[in-house]
Amino acid sequence: KAGVTQTPRYLIKTRGQQVTLSCSPISGHRSVSWYQQTPGQGLQFLFEYFSETQRNKGNFPGRFSGRQFSNSRSEMNVSTLELGDSALYLCASSLGQVVDTQYFGPGTRLTVL
Amino acid sequence: AQKITQTQPGMFVQEKEAVTLDCTYDTSDQSYGLFWYKQPSSGEMIFLIYQGSYDEQNATEGRYSLNFQKARKSANLVISASQLGDSAMYFCAMREGTSGGSNYKLTFGKGTLLTVNP
Repeated sequence: KAGVTQTPRYLIKTRGQQVTLSCSPISGHRSVSWYQQTPGQGLQFLFEYFSETQRNKGNFPGRFSGRQFSNSRSEMNVSTLELGDSALYLCASSLGQVVDTQYFGPGTRLTVL
Repeated sequence: AQKITQTQPGMFVQEKEAVTLDCTYDTSDQSYGLFWYKQPSSGEMIFLIYQGSYDEQNATEGRYSLNFQKARKSANLVISASQLGDSAMYFCAMREGTSGGSNYKLTFGKGTLLTVNP
């Protein structure tokens, strides 16, 4: 069974631009979560989607948004990029129950110049 | 207060030896889950092992075992017979409110960088 895939793997943007990251979960998984990883803040939860509905949201500004499609694929959007948004963005999928293990993708490394 | 504390920023171990990576947690929930993930330099987070708060036995997965001491709120990862490929960052994570709850996020510790020497 194929794992979680994320595209693109690397991205370079400039301040003020916006970016969209994509995540395809493991087949059969209906939950997708997004995390931001930086050297300073570590791994922080952004949001979680299940059946196209956001169930949980972390403490990030409204510039960070996401959505999930009917095939469980998810996108994350960051508008008006800031230098501090440079990070590894990790997507994780699970079956969707609160006790289920989350399996992560390889991440998208975003650099904001 | 930090919910997950990993006090060892870095650890060194000789190949074929066992190593213990420490993790303590803080929660007022009775029902929660503890996870360990490995992150090689490539960046992908690899799931290693899971322990539920009501599990009476310590979890084991191949060379990985979790030393769960509920009263002390610790969930240490033990890697037996270390291999060169075990060199990576290791993260302890917790999900709270797993009994009838609606919390789907994982809270991570800062991680421990393990280096296996030949």
